[in-house]
Amino acid sequence: SQQGEEDPQALSIQEGENATMNCSYKTSINNLQWYRQNSGRGLVHLILIRSNEREKHSGRLRVTLDTSKKSSSLLITASRAADTASYFCATDGNTGGFKTIFGAGTRLFVKA
Amino acid sequence: DAGVIQSPRHEVTEMGQEVTLRCKPISGHNSLFWYRQTMMRGLELLIYFNNNVPIDDSGMPEDRFSAKMPNASFSTLKIQPSEPRDSAVYFCASSSDYGYTFGSGTRLTVV
Repeated sequence: SQQGEEDPQALSIQEGENATMNCSYKTSINNLQWYRQNSGRGLVHLILIRSNEREKHSGRLRVTLDTSKKSSSLLITASRAADTASYFCATDGNTGGFKTIFGAGTRLFVKA
Repeated sequence: DAGVIQSPRHEVTEMGQEVTLRCKPISGHNSLFWYRQTMMRGLELLIYFNNNVPIDDSGMPEDRFSAKMPNASFSTLKIQPSEPRDSAVYFCASSSDYGYTFGSGTRLTVV
């Protein structure tokens, strides 16, 4: 089964609203990453948060990590129509190696 | 840097034919990954290399799939013979300490 699972699976909001997506994972991690994928394109790395960090900001993005609950959230503030995309979380385990496991993604639709 | 470069962007082939997908990672990235994405199964890791050496190929679905990385700047994913269920978008990614950089993918259609 997937290491990372996002919810909701789909989210539709109005431009200007905030969008929150959540990710849960099963095993211990070194870091957790969020990616965006526009339709028909490759994934674009948004932000990486390490296991010893609790919160990270990048522009309109805010990521939190709760290792005790094995969960993370991605908040996009003041959303824009251009934020319409699928968002994936991905985790790197701490058992060695380089394997990153991606969740199934949240499809975000921002209505203008 | 041009990013991760994949070719071709689209491939349509007949069942039974050999298909070769190509990837040029970002210079200086030591790890390279091949993923397959479908609506049904999402993003699946097929194989990854570190310093040109295959580390984990447990995601390769069958012996029909093979991947090589003859040098640090080139990798191939080959399917022989191809089947309709191989139709998907195949992504190559290379990584640094700060995350992955994905190519634009190859959309493979096997008819």
